[in-house]
This record gives sequence, C-alpha cells and structure tokens, in this order.
Amino acid sequence: GAGVSQSPSNKVTEKGKDVELRCDPISGHTALYWYRQRLGQGLEFLIYFQGNSAPDKSGLPSDRFSAERTGESVSTLTIQRTQQEDSAVYLCASSLGIRSDTQYFGPGTRLTVL
Amino acid sequence: QKEVEQDPGPLSVPEGAIVSLNCTYSNSAFQYFMWYRQYSRKGPELLMYTYSSGNKEDGRFTAQVDKSSKYISLFIRDSQPSDSATYLCAMDSSASKIIFGSGTRLSIRP
Repeated sequence: GAGVSQSPSNKVTEKGKDVELRCDPISGHTALYWYRQRLGQGLEFLIYFQGNSAPDKSGLPSDRFSAERTGESVSTLTIQRTQQEDSAVYLCASSLGIRSDTQYFGPGTRLTVL
Repeated sequence: QKEVEQDPGPLSVPEGAIVSLNCTYSNSAFQYFMWYRQYSRKGPELLMYTYSSGNKEDGRFTAQVDKSSKYISLFIRDSQPSDSATYLCAMDSSASKIIFGSGTRLSIRP
C-alpha cells in the first residue's frame, strides 16, 4: 500500500498506563503531522515534523505527550500516564513538503482509556 | 470564540438536491482554505483547496471563499448517497498548521 498507515487501529488501555502510537508515512514525504480528533469534533493539531526535527510542538496538550521521528520515516506518539480525557482518534498525515494541499491522512488509531 | 466555526449538523437531504456547507472564521491571516471529506472510521481526504478569495469548481463540487466576510462554502450539486460523510472545513496561514472546523455530518437519502 502506498498510503499512510497507522498502528494499532484500536487501543484500549487502563488509566495511568503508557501507550505508543505508530505512523508510517508515504515514502519520500518529508513532513509528518499528528492530530487528535475527539468524538464529534474537528481535528486538533498536536505536532509536526520536518524531517526528523519538530519545529512546532505547540499543540501537545501536556508534558505527558511526546513524539519522535527517526530516519525521516516512522513516527511514534507516546502518551504517558493516560487519562480518560485522552480517549480520541489520533490521526497522522504526511506530505511531500510543508504545504497544506498535499497532506495525506492515515486511518487513525482509536484510543480508549478506561 | 473558536477560530473556525462550523455547524455540526446533522444535515439530511434527498438524493439529487444541492447541498450547501459553510464555515466562518475569525483570523484574517488565513489564506489557504480547504474542504475535507471524512467517511466513518477513516482519515480525512482532501476535496477542495483554494487560495485567497474566489470560486473553484471540480465536478459536482464548488468551493467559495469570501475573505471580506470571513465565510467559506462548499456546494455539492446532484448529491448522491455516496456523498454521505462528515465534511470538515480547514484553513491555514502558515502552510504548516491547519485549523479545522468541527465538521458537518451530511446524509443523502436515496
């Protein structure tokens, strides 16, 4: 498949546990974005990467959230000590460069914190 | 006040009707305006992209931007049941951080 893939597709965890969400962007795409979508709401920007660096982390809700990207490819979003309000769909998108019109989204990871 | 306001719906129309979806915004710095379609349990897909004010047509879809009123619209002609989805408006000033509306759920009745 040539699209953006994310894993796992669904994750159920207990409050207080750490979770890791993975994003595999389209090959050759240098920019990668993470968004959060709460039920019935729009997308909330979390962080973006240009290559392996993250120029804008302003959307991360708290210091429990972190993300990294290695080799201009795979990115991991980590949520430590999960809370119930972290329950949402986490979407990843990639683009060739930093241009709004070329962001391609993955199917998302649905996170449920019990 | 949210930067981007969008009526969540749901909006239900009969097949063949013209659909009008709208968003208002408050940040006059926005220059790039987009509409995304999101089917249930899928990621959003870009439908229309416009820069600054004006109209853009692509098949049955027309996007309009009125920067003086801070108002954007998406029109769908000859609507089909396959158009049933959530439509998200989005806009951007820096080409790196997109602000999304909350989405309008649209249902086309056969």
